[in-house]
Amino acid sequence: GAVVSQHPSWVICKSGTSVKIECRSLDFQATTMFWYRQFPKQSLMLMATSNEGSKATYEQGVEKDKFLINHASLTLSTLTVTSAHPEDSSFYICSATLAGAYNEQFFGPGTRLTVL
Amino acid sequence: AQSVTQPDIHITVSEGASLELRCNYSYGATPYLFWYVQSPGQGLQLLLKYFSGDTLVQGIKGFEAEFKRSQSSFNLRKPSVHWSDAAEYFCAVGAAGGSYIPTFGRGTSLIVHP
Repeated sequence: GAVVSQHPSWVICKSGTSVKIECRSLDFQATTMFWYRQFPKQSLMLMATSNEGSKATYEQGVEKDKFLINHASLTLSTLTVTSAHPEDSSFYICSATLAGAYNEQFFGPGTRLTVL
Repeated sequence: AQSVTQPDIHITVSEGASLELRCNYSYGATPYLFWYVQSPGQGLQLLLKYFSGDTLVQGIKGFEAEFKRSQSSFNLRKPSVHWSDAAEYFCAVGAAGGSYIPTFGRGTSLIVHP
């Protein structure tokens, strides 16, 4: 149980285009989802916290207009990287918590974004 | 605010040898503590967690960790390492109670020699 999927697993795009990454909780309802960014050989950096039906809460330094997050249902959150640039290339990981239980996150397999 | 220190960037062990990965945390109250493992190009898998109670926590894949409040540590151990254990290991600390967001350490890369 508590499986989180991400799609796509990897994506290559041209500079200036937008890319959407989906995060789904497959067998549970996730009221809260988190989006992380991970640079090579580094730890996870929290980008934003997404609650179903409300606006995401972004961490300091994360551009909300560049990284659009939508959490339209209890099983789906999306991250859209708008007007992507090479510096946006990274490994993006989402996680989800069970409704009513904030003490453990279940992580997706990650999405490798490469911007040319 | 909480913080996590994993002092070892890389650890190299021989297959069959014992393993200990260090984790020190800073947090003013009772912490929630986690160890995650990440294989290359993959997400994170929870190995074990400590919320309260017995300070020696058993996890999956033969791992265990011990919470030592006096040392602000939560070191991960395994008595006999397998080649498949080679991965990146992350320690994380969260605030007890309510909605929380864990803080991750920078990770320790485990290399296993045959």
